[in-house]
Amino acid sequence: DVKVTQSSRYLVKRTGEKVFLECVQDMDHENMFWYRQDPGLGLRLIYFSYDVKMKEKGDIPEGYSVSREKKERFSLILESASTNQTSMYLCASSFPLAPRNNEQFFGPGTRLTVL
Amino acid sequence: TQLLEQSPQFLSIQEGENLTVYCNSSSVFSSLQWYRQEPGEGPVLLVTVVTGGEVKKLKRLTFQFGDARKDSSLHITAAQPGDTGLYLCAGDKGGTALIFGKGTTLSVSS
Repeated sequence: DVKVTQSSRYLVKRTGEKVFLECVQDMDHENMFWYRQDPGLGLRLIYFSYDVKMKEKGDIPEGYSVSREKKERFSLILESASTNQTSMYLCASSFPLAPRNNEQFFGPGTRLTVL
Repeated sequence: TQLLEQSPQFLSIQEGENLTVYCNSSSVFSSLQWYRQEPGEGPVLLVTVVTGGEVKKLKRLTFQFGDARKDSSLHITAAQPGDTGLYLCAGDKGGTALIFGKGTTLSVSS
C-alpha cells in the first residue's frame, strides 16, 4: 500500500515565522502535490511537482514555496506565516501512467494554526 | 471558475435511506475519481471511472460515469453511519493535476 506521511498532524506558529511542512511517500511516485483545505472552499492546489527539482504553481501559490530535492520528499515552505494561512494542509502523490493514471494518495494532513 | 460542481453540498439522512450525489461539468474528462474523507484525515480513493457510461460497484456504493464523460454520480443504498464523511469527485483532463469538486458532506444518523 502507498504510504504518504506528513511531518506533523498539528502545528502552531506565530505570525512572521518561517514554517516547513514535510511530506514523504514510499511508492516511488513521480508526482507530488500540496493542497490546503478550508471550509466552503474545498481543496485548493498550492504547488505540485512532476520530478525532482521540478515544480509548478497551482491555483494559490502566493505566500508559499516548495522544494523537491529527492523523489520521495516534497516540502512546503511558508516564508513568513500569516494568520490567513491557518488551514489544513494535505500532501498527495500519484503515478502518472496506467493503470494508476493520476490517482492521488493523500497524507493524513497537517492542521496549521498561525497566531 | 469551478469546473466540477458537486451537489448537494450537505446531506443529512437516517440510517437505511438511499442517496445520490452528483458531480457535473461542462468539460470532458479522461477519467473521474471519487474520494471519501473522514474528519481529521486525508481523502482516500474509492474508485476511478474511465469509460463513458461505465458503472462500478463497491458494496453498497454505485458509481456511474456519464456517456459524454462530463459528469458522474455516486449512489449509496441503505446508508449506514460508517458512510458519514466528505465525498469528493476529481476529474482528470490529462495533465498532472486533478480538478477537485468542493465535495458533499454526508451525515448518516442511526
